[in-house]
Amino acid sequence: KAGVTQTPRYLIKTRGQQVTLSCSPISGHRSVSWYQQTPGQGLQFLFEYFSETQRNKGNFPGRFSGRQFSNSRSEMNVSTLELGDSALYLCASSTGTPDNYGYTFGSGTRLTVV
Amino acid sequence: GDSVTQMEGPVTLSEEAFLTINCTYTATGYPSLFWYVQYPGEGLQLLLKATKADDKGSNKGFEATYRKETTSFHLEKGSVQVSDSAVYFCALSDDGTGGFKTIFGAGTRLFVKA
Repeated sequence: KAGVTQTPRYLIKTRGQQVTLSCSPISGHRSVSWYQQTPGQGLQFLFEYFSETQRNKGNFPGRFSGRQFSNSRSEMNVSTLELGDSALYLCASSTGTPDNYGYTFGSGTRLTVV
Repeated sequence: GDSVTQMEGPVTLSEEAFLTINCTYTATGYPSLFWYVQYPGEGLQLLLKATKADDKGSNKGFEATYRKETTSFHLEKGSVQVSDSAVYFCALSDDGTGGFKTIFGAGTRLFVKA
């Protein structure tokens, strides 16, 4: 079956712009989580959605937001981009409670802010 | 709060050597524990998991045992191959008062020489 699909794979944006990243989870998976990965900070949790509701949120500013649609596809948005937002953004999906089943990750979207 | 600490890398081994990557955790509840692997240019893949104390997770020759008394989940493999070269992440998932979340360690890079 198809894996977790993230689009686009690469993005270059200018400071101050906004960006929207997309994630399509594995069919049947209702939980989608987003992570930011950087060499300095490692993997940092952004937020998790389950059945269109945000269940948990990490410690990121309000410029980072997300949503989930009825088909479980998810988007995250970053407004007023800063240079420090350059990172690999990973989406992960799961059937239900990821503590038991673990995540399936997408290949990520590499965002570069110039 | 919850945290995961894993040994710093890089770890460099010769093919067929024994591998241990140490991981310890701090958690207020009873988390599930995971090891993920990340190959260059890809997202993370779930390698193995354990959901309660004394459980042993295993996959592709890798093993880890959930040790509640030492709060550890060390990854081991008896004979590594060049294809095992990757970054390995230890993680815990907990459904505490702040809602469900998964926390990752900083990652340990493994190089295996032929």
